[in-house]
Amino acid sequence: QLQLQESGPGLLRPSETLSLSCTVSGGSIRTGNYYWGWVRQPPGKGLEWLATIDRTGRAYPKPSLQSRVAISIDTSRNKLSLSLRSVTATDTALYFCARRTETWYFDLWGRGILVTVSS
Amino acid sequence: EIVLTQSPGTLSLSPGERATLSCRASQRVSSNYLAWYQQKPGQAPRLLIYGASTRAAGTPGRFTGSGSGTDFTLTITRLEPEDFAVYYCQAGSFGQGTKVEIK
Repeated sequence: QLQLQESGPGLLRPSETLSLSCTVSGGSIRTGNYYWGWVRQPPGKGLEWLATIDRTGRAYPKPSLQSRVAISIDTSRNKLSLSLRSVTATDTALYFCARRTETWYFDLWGRGILVTVSS
Repeated sequence: EIVLTQSPGTLSLSPGERATLSCRASQRVSSNYLAWYQQKPGQAPRLLIYGASTRAAGTPGRFTGSGSGTDFTLTITRLEPEDFAVYYCQAGSFGQGTKVEIK
């Protein structure tokens, strides 16, 4: 059974770069016509899609975050990564990695990792 | 970017009652691309409905998705205690969510 696990720092200072990884286990990230993405959720708030990537590495960042966000995929290591530059307190959130289908819905999710930005 | 607006923000109901959640899109959405999720505190979202009306694996029959164009609905026919949660619609971006709480 496919599982996703996020990892990364729990605390950052303002202006730093957030780097998160998502390891896919129980199967290959290359199998099927899936995309892989990141979604975040600020404390007590709703879900925000950040970026998606396909298995060939074609990336689709959220337009409003395009200048700060980067997503990558390493199919040899079954790993997905997210980078978010120049973080501020508003980037404090629970960050999820998830598998997305061709018709845009996310059918498999990691448990999420809480990232706090604070000085 | 499609903007999804969910209503109401909060729905206060009793177990056994019917819940009707609305999701309105700022522009026409193909039904193939509309999904609904359930999220409970401390958990990741769980896919309930995709393609506007297809139940995901494990979704009970009391959950029904419907709609087309710009107006979509999630109906829970008889609320069970485990159904009290936050529900999100999604078509690319996510709606802001509807909280179904115990009255």
